[in-house]
Amino acid sequence: KQEVTQIPAALSVPEGENLVLNCSFTDSAIYNLQWFRQDPGKGLTSLLLIQSSQREQTSGRLNASLDKSSGRSTLYIAASQPGDSATYLCAVHETSGSRLTFGEGTQLTVNP
Amino acid sequence: SAVISQKPSRDICQRGTSLTIQCQVDSQVTMMFWYRQQPGQSLTLIATANQGSEATYESGFVIDKFPISRPNLTFSTLTVSNMSPEDSSIYLCSVMTIQDTEAFFGQGTRLTVV
Repeated sequence: KQEVTQIPAALSVPEGENLVLNCSFTDSAIYNLQWFRQDPGKGLTSLLLIQSSQREQTSGRLNASLDKSSGRSTLYIAASQPGDSATYLCAVHETSGSRLTFGEGTQLTVNP
Repeated sequence: SAVISQKPSRDICQRGTSLTIQCQVDSQVTMMFWYRQQPGQSLTLIATANQGSEATYESGFVIDKFPISRPNLTFSTLTVSNMSPEDSSIYLCSVMTIQDTEAFFGQGTRLTVV
């Protein structure tokens, strides 16, 4: 059974810092991996999708990497802003069209 | 991408009643899912909504409690039946595109049962 773990559970940083969120999964036979953002009480916004054949994806200040063989992904946020404050969730698809298995999330607070 | 409209966005309901949540997508999608997020926890899959046939439920979820309909490729409903305070959660609709790669989510329905 696939298990996804995210470290740290919570992170508080001053504005402007670069930061890294970690995600690990137990079964390396994944189809792809997605990073999401969730604001309190709201739905999920897809940030980055990494296919199993890819090593990284970038969108603006966000960069996600994938090391499938070791079962790890990282989300790098450059020059953090207070508006980045949210919960960040990592999730994996095991096959095409399958359900997502989610981590518990990292709650990020960026202080002005 | 896909744009998902989920209604209602929130509701407060009396125990013993039922609530139906609607999910409308702006394009045809192959896969539609319903997730539950209990307070302070991550997402748990309730079921996969299958077009024109019965939904496929995950362990711990049953059709009598969470009946699901999906009459076409762009619309689905989830009903939370005979509600109790333990059903207070955020319920989220998710879809995958025809290419079956990226997943998208609605804004969620925040349900409080009193």
